[in-house]
Amino acid sequence: AQSVAQPEDQVNVAEGNPLTVKCTYSVSGNPYLFWYVQYPNRGLQFLLKYITGDNLVKGSYGFEAEFNKSQTSFHLKKPSALVSDSALYFCAVRDPTGGGNKLTFGTGTQLKVEL
Amino acid sequence: DTEVTQTPKHLVMGMTNKKSLKCEQHMGHRAMYWYKQKAKKPPELMFVYSYEKLSINESVPSRFSPECPNSSLLNLHLHALQPEDSALYLCASSQAWGWGSSGANVLTFGAGSRLTVL
Repeated sequence: AQSVAQPEDQVNVAEGNPLTVKCTYSVSGNPYLFWYVQYPNRGLQFLLKYITGDNLVKGSYGFEAEFNKSQTSFHLKKPSALVSDSALYFCAVRDPTGGGNKLTFGTGTQLKVEL
Repeated sequence: DTEVTQTPKHLVMGMTNKKSLKCEQHMGHRAMYWYKQKAKKPPELMFVYSYEKLSINESVPSRFSPECPNSSLLNLHLHALQPEDSALYLCASSQAWGWGSSGANVLTFGAGSRLTVL
């Protein structure tokens, strides 16, 4: 069965510093990986996805993620964090069974960016 | 229009009430989803409609009844809920349910309906 793990419940970073939110995956077959962000009292917003191709994926709001097959990781990164990046971040993997668009989400990582 | 609109934003109901949550999108998406999310937890898939037909029911109790009247609307009818059903209910849509193209799999979520069952 496919799964994603987000090992950190919370990540704290100072504004202007680089940030990394970690995600590792376990899938049979090709991994289709996603990052979504959730601001307080809002739904999830799509940030970026990896389907195939370049291992470095660029997404919304200056975020990027690096797909690493050997380490089965898909860490989210941003070179310079903003206070407004503070939110709950979910990594997700597509469930290949059933042929559809079902996602398995990680447990989420709360990012707190401080002045 | 690139939004998914959910109403109401907040709903408080008793265990004997009947209420409905509504979701609307005008992006031409043919797949629509209901998710349940508890605080600080990942969303859990409840139902998926593809081309207005129920494709996925994740063993959700019958006190939750989905309905897809047309390609733009999705309802979730609630009856005889329990306090543990209190949660944020998220609607989402995507271009398609099937894995046909690289762009067909991104979910667009609504802001959610926060349900409290007393």
